[in-house]
Amino acid sequence: AQSVTQLGSHVSVSEGALVLLRCNYSSSVPPYLFWYVQYPNQGLQLLLKYTSAATLVKGINGFEAEFKKSETSFHLTKPSAHMSDAAEYFCAVSEGQAGTALIFGKGTTLSVSS
Amino acid sequence: GAGVSQSPSNKVTEKGKDVELRCDPISGHTALYWYRQSLGQGLEFLIYFQGNSAPDKSGLPSDRFSAERTGGSVSTLTIQRTQQEDSAVYLCASSLITSHNSPLHFGNGTRLTVT
Repeated sequence: AQSVTQLGSHVSVSEGALVLLRCNYSSSVPPYLFWYVQYPNQGLQLLLKYTSAATLVKGINGFEAEFKKSETSFHLTKPSAHMSDAAEYFCAVSEGQAGTALIFGKGTTLSVSS
Repeated sequence: GAGVSQSPSNKVTEKGKDVELRCDPISGHTALYWYRQSLGQGLEFLIYFQGNSAPDKSGLPSDRFSAERTGGSVSTLTIQRTQQEDSAVYLCASSLITSHNSPLHFGNGTRLTVT
């Protein structure tokens, strides 16, 4: 069965600094990979997804993630953090077959200081 | 258009009581998911409905938990004989198709508190 590990439950950066949120996955077949974001007092929304096309995926708000099969990783990055990026970020994996659920990691809370 | 609607938004119940949580997915969405969100545990998968296929119940934590989806639309998650550890936010999500090229749309959740 597929699973996701997010390294670091809490990441703190300064405004303008690089954001790096780590995600490693386990899947017995080529996976579909996702990042979702939950802003304070809001529901979860899709940030970006990898579905076996380009390995570097660009999402909303300047975020991107790179699928690295050799490292079983899908880390999320943003070159320059903004205060509005403070949120909880969830990595998720699906084995892509019909009838397979989307499995989420435990989340990483990003704090951005001025 | 309307998003995923969950009711109630908050529910406080006494230990041992049964509760029902409701989810109205986006019209036309064939896939429906229930997750539980609690501090430090992230989003815990509970159950997944896909069209008319048998649901994937592999995430239900005990036989006190059950869910139905009537007519391929509204879903109800039932927790019997609630325990304090059931306290969490229960999230429902739906998606248009099941190939995962279609993103999940989440409701705002039901915050369950068991006293």
